[in-house]
Amino acid sequence: AQRVTQPEKLLSVFKGAPVELKCNYSYSGSPELFWYVQYSRQRLQLLLRHISRESIKGFTADLNKGETSFHLKKPFAQEEDSAMYYCALSGSGNTGKLIFGQGTTLQVKP
Amino acid sequence: ETGVTQSPTHLIKTRGQQVTLRCSSQSGHNTVSWYQQALGQGPQFIFQYYREEENGRGNFPPRFSGLQFPNYSSELNVNALELDDSALYLCASSLGRRRSSYEQYFGPGTRLTVT
Repeated sequence: AQRVTQPEKLLSVFKGAPVELKCNYSYSGSPELFWYVQYSRQRLQLLLRHISRESIKGFTADLNKGETSFHLKKPFAQEEDSAMYYCALSGSGNTGKLIFGQGTTLQVKP
Repeated sequence: ETGVTQSPTHLIKTRGQQVTLRCSSQSGHNTVSWYQQALGQGPQFIFQYYREEENGRGNFPPRFSGLQFPNYSSELNVNALELDDSALYLCASSLGRRRSSYEQYFGPGTRLTVT
């Protein structure tokens, strides 16, 4: 079964602390993994995707096929990082269907 | 370039009624996907339309149906509404249907409440 698990509903850290949002997936083929973010009163938007191997707003994520994980990391959290973060998976085939995790709220305290 | 828009913003319906939600895709996008997001959950894929044809469907009953028009705008129709259909309905458009090439741009959603 295709599934994305985000084990933490809420992650609370202080400004300047490192952040790691966990994501594990279940998929038998070659998945493509994404992180989406939703800031307060804004729409859901793409943060980064694993094939791009880029850092966006200081966030990075590495696909670990052995551990079936795609954790999102940032070395120094900023208050403006406070948001809801969703990990998503897209399978093979001709559809861009996204399978989302339940989401993790990141709260960065001053 | 305009973003994805959805209407209405909020909607209240009674169990058993029918509802139509609308989505205008981002300029130049030919693919629309619909998602249902229940409170406290991540979005769940309902179906996708590519160039006016259904191109993939999630685990939703046939009373969830859709349309895509020649201008690539889309409708989601839900018949015989049930209380569990209460959710935020999200529309996302993209340049194409393939997973890796095209980013999905989300609309603000329609909040449906079934009483």
